Parts: sequence; structure tokens; C-alpha cells
Amino acid sequence: EAGVAQSPRYKIIEKRQSVAFWCNPISGHATLYWYQQILGQGPKLLIQFQNNGVVDDSQLPKDRFSAERLKGVDSTLKIQPAKLEDSAVYLCASSFWRGGEETQYFGPGTRLLVL
Amino acid sequence: GNSVTQMEGPVTLSEEAFLTINCTYTATGYPSLFWYVQYPGEGLQLLLKATKADDKGSNKGFEATYRKETTSFHLEKGSVQVSDSAVYFCAREDSGGGADGLTFGKGTHLIIQP
Repeated sequence: EAGVAQSPRYKIIEKRQSVAFWCNPISGHATLYWYQQILGQGPKLLIQFQNNGVVDDSQLPKDRFSAERLKGVDSTLKIQPAKLEDSAVYLCASSFWRGGEETQYFGPGTRLLVL
Repeated sequence: GNSVTQMEGPVTLSEEAFLTINCTYTATGYPSLFWYVQYPGEGLQLLLKATKADDKGSNKGFEATYRKETTSFHLEKGSVQVSDSAVYFCAREDSGGGADGLTFGKGTHLIIQP
């Protein structure tokens, strides 16, 4: 079974530029998450989708971050304009329910450096 | 809000030593608890989980018991190997009902010396 795919793996941009990340979840997984992992910290949830609807975006900085999952499969996360403090690894995860339990599977992440 | 606190690293041990990595969580709701591992150059992998009080999760010789009375989920292994060197993250579900985001600790870097 293929895992969660993310691209690009690395991205370097200058502050105030825009950037977009792409995620393809495991086939059949209805729930998709984006997390931000700053160096030396644990991942922090940005947004959760259930199919193509947003379940939780309370920690998403909506003035500069946006995300969509139009057809309930792939998702994109965009930052516009980027700030220095956005330098981090952006992780996508997808999950399924089995027996009343959820297991999240993570992609390899996109490492963003903002100069 | 929810939080997870785990011991600061790095933790350096000799091969075959006993390992404990402490983890405590805020007691909001009845969350499932998880340990994820990140090996050098790789993504986050689920190591083990427990979904209710007194459950024990186990995998690859690692164990953790869901202790509701102490709000803890400490990770243990009886005899560590060099290949266990990685960063370990403790995490809890945000609300414990339905598909949910996770709140992670800061991670503990484990270094096993031969």
C-alpha cells in the first residue's frame, strides 16, 4: 500500500514570496491533516479535512495560510506572503477509522526555508 | 488547551540499557495516546498507541501503559539497541471523539551508544 505522498520535499524562498505544498493521502482515507513542525518542536496541527470539508482550522494563520481539498482526495497548503518564522517542515497525514479507532499516517514532509 | 509534556533530551544510553521516556498529558476528555518515532532522515512513524485507561500499547519491544490516575504514558524498553536511536514523540488526541488532530510533545532525542 502506497503511503502519504508530499511534494516538493524541499523549498527555499525569500520572505514575502508565495509557496504551495501538495499532499496525496493514502487511498480511501477520508481524513487529511496538515501539521507544521518547527525545528526542535513537535508537530502542530494547522488544519483538518473530512473529505472535502474543513473540520478544524482554529490554529491556521488565516491571514497568510490557506488550504483546500476540492475533490476530497489531494490537498494543497499555500502560504502567501511567507515570513521568516514560517521556516519549518510541513507534514501531511491521513487517517482511517477501524473499530472505533483512528490511526494517522504521516508523509515525509516538505522542508521550507524562508530567507 | 491540550498539552503533552515529555522529558527533554538528548537521552544517551549504552546498548542493552533500560529505557524510560516520561510523558504526561492534560486530562481533558478521554483521548487516545500515541508514541511516534522519527528515525534520522525519515518521516514520523506510529510506534504504539493506547485508547483507554490501563491499556498497554507495545511494538518492537517498546511498551507504554495509559495511566489515567497520573495522566501519564511513559515509554519503556528493557534493552535498547543502537538502531533505536531516533526522536520519540508522545501525542494525544485533541478531543477523544471521532477523527481528531493530535497534540504532540516536543520530542525526546534518544542516542544509543555501542
